[in-house]
Amino acid sequence: NAGVMQNPRHLVRRRGQEARLRCSPMKGHSHVYWYRQLPEEGLKFMVYLQKENIIDESGMPKERFSAEFPKEGPSILRIQQVVRGDSAAYFCASSPATGNEKLFFGSGTQLSVL
Amino acid sequence: GNSVTQMEGPVTLSEEAFLTINCTYTATGYPSLFWYVQYPGEGLQLLLKATKADDKGSNKGFEATYRKETTSFHLEKGSVQVSDSAVYFCALSDLGGSYIPTFGRGTSLIVHP
Repeated sequence: NAGVMQNPRHLVRRRGQEARLRCSPMKGHSHVYWYRQLPEEGLKFMVYLQKENIIDESGMPKERFSAEFPKEGPSILRIQQVVRGDSAAYFCASSPATGNEKLFFGSGTQLSVL
Repeated sequence: GNSVTQMEGPVTLSEEAFLTINCTYTATGYPSLFWYVQYPGEGLQLLLKATKADDKGSNKGFEATYRKETTSFHLEKGSVQVSDSAVYFCALSDLGGSYIPTFGRGTSLIVHP
């Protein structure tokens, strides 16, 4: 019973390139959350998705960031034209339903922008 | 809006010392409260939870009591081990308001032999 799978584990990009982060939730989970972790800032909510729907993206920067969770396949967090300030650990979490508050986290993707 | 405030770290202790990590919260509804732990290089994992006032969550020797009157959920352990070294996050999920889980900034715990 695999847990939440994130890949890649480490991603290095140069300024201006695109970054794609993938997250496969636990089997049977239809709710996905993306969080960003910066040193000294803790875990910041970015976006909450269900299959084919963005439910809450109040934590997403208005430009360059997008997320999707298609009917088939993993959830994708996409960052266009990356800048050095995007360097952070990005964590995905899943849950089986709203109201089931326990989240299951992946091991994260460490994005480094050169 | 909802918020969680944790004591700043790092907290540095000797093995077998008593641990307290303070956490207070602000919520618009009736939140459930959580402690998550993050070991180096890993994602967060749930340590314990409490869903209503006066509930005590416990796991692996850690305890926290949901105190509505002081809006607190302090984490305690009577005797820490080196293997407890990690970052601890207090969190809330407020089904009566925003259901998006909100996390504190995390408190790093370092336990020396």
